[in-house]
Amino acid sequence: EAQVTQNPRYLITVTGKKLTVTCSQNMNHEYMSWYRQDPGLGLRQIYYSMNVEVTDKGDVPEGYKVSRKEKRNFPLILESPSPNQTSLYFCASSSTRQYEQYFGPGTRLTVT
Amino acid sequence: AQSVTQLDSQVPVFEEAPVELRCNYSSSVSVYLFWYVQYPNQGLQLLLKYLSGSTLVKGINGFEAEFNKSQTSFHLRKPSVHISDTAEYFCAVSRFNNAGNMLTFGGGTRLMVKP
Repeated sequence: EAQVTQNPRYLITVTGKKLTVTCSQNMNHEYMSWYRQDPGLGLRQIYYSMNVEVTDKGDVPEGYKVSRKEKRNFPLILESPSPNQTSLYFCASSSTRQYEQYFGPGTRLTVT
Repeated sequence: AQSVTQLDSQVPVFEEAPVELRCNYSSSVSVYLFWYVQYPNQGLQLLLKYLSGSTLVKGINGFEAEFNKSQTSFHLRKPSVHISDTAEYFCAVSRFNNAGNMLTFGGGTRLMVKP
């Protein structure tokens, strides 16, 4: 089944404790992206990637890092999480031919 | 820079009534336009997309949208809604650069269908 998977789905952590949210897609898509969803703000793009080793900042990159060492994986790294990063995070992927993005199920992160 | 404005944060409507969810965008370059739906506690699912060609686009679940370049709008419509259409709807614009797919979403419209 074609899908985007994220882990973990739920995470509660404390300020300053480094964490990684994994994202993997099995559709051989070139493009991958990370978004955060906050009430009233919709989804805002954090980082995106065209292919392996090619990434760029989205609208809200501060406090986040990404890497794209393999085509299928695009982990999101929070080196020192803060409470304002409490949010619902989505990973997405798309191909060069279809343009629309396919979304993972989301990761709900709470930073206390 | 590109931006998307969804003019209504909530739209209450009775079952079997028609509905229109409004979306306006701004961009200095040509864009691709999308509507996504998010059911409670789920991820986003594509409803429909406009890439080029006919300005009236039909999607899943009986939804359609019309691209209006002069008014920079991409409003979503359905002639008769069902209870199961209750969800949050997001309009989005996309453009590509050397690094990938830059997607900008509106703030979302919560459609509440009442019996």
